Amino acid sequence: AAGVIQSPRHLIKEKRETATLKCYPIPRHDTVYWYQQGPGQDPQFLISFYEKMQSDKGSIPDRFSAQQFSDYHSELNMSSLELGDSALYFCASSLSPGTGGVLAGNTIYFGEGSWLTVV
Amino acid sequence: GEDVEQSLFLSVREGDSSVINCTYTDSSSTYLYWYKQEPGAGLQLLTYIFSNMDMKQDQRLTVLLNKKDKHLSLRIADTQTGDSAIYFCAESPSNNAGNMLTFGGGTRLMVKP
Repeated sequence: AAGVIQSPRHLIKEKRETATLKCYPIPRHDTVYWYQQGPGQDPQFLISFYEKMQSDKGSIPDRFSAQQFSDYHSELNMSSLELGDSALYFCASSLSPGTGGVLAGNTIYFGEGSWLTVV
Repeated sequence: GEDVEQSLFLSVREGDSSVINCTYTDSSSTYLYWYKQEPGAGLQLLTYIFSNMDMKQDQRLTVLLNKKDKHLSLRIADTQTGDSAIYFCAESPSNNAGNMLTFGGGTRLMVKP
């Protein structure tokens, strides 16, 4: 079965550079989430989109922005990178409960993650 | 705000049962999940439970939910070395636009042969 696809899998950037991560959700999933997992830490919610509109916002820095496109893929743009931005960035997707019903809306699937290293 | 807590480490012998515990504080939690993360890998959804359920069983996995005590557990029967990983519990209040997850700190399960 198709899973959540993230690219690139690994990325090395210098401080103050910009980076863009891409996420392709599972087909027919209308909701996309971005999480950041620092070394040895649990994943922290950054932001989510439902039907191309931002639905929830977590601990996303102002230097980061994201959007969801008409084909439901999403991009996370990170500017003025700092050393502390080095982390594993996960994208996840699901059907929203409003779209797929209660039972369909609770299955959230994660991609393999994109490793960002800022040097 | 939401808070999800787990013990950091669990060590068991191959063939034994493992029980990983999780407590949460948000009484509005609607869905509770268990994810498995192997080293350098992504988060694999193992199972989930809806808040109106007490128990859910799926092959070697049994999830128990005590909503009164806000306590969730994952039991892995006949634990194998391939089960060694970090296990995260997560909760979500759910809304029409999607499910924002709050994760616990993860429990590192080590299975000894």
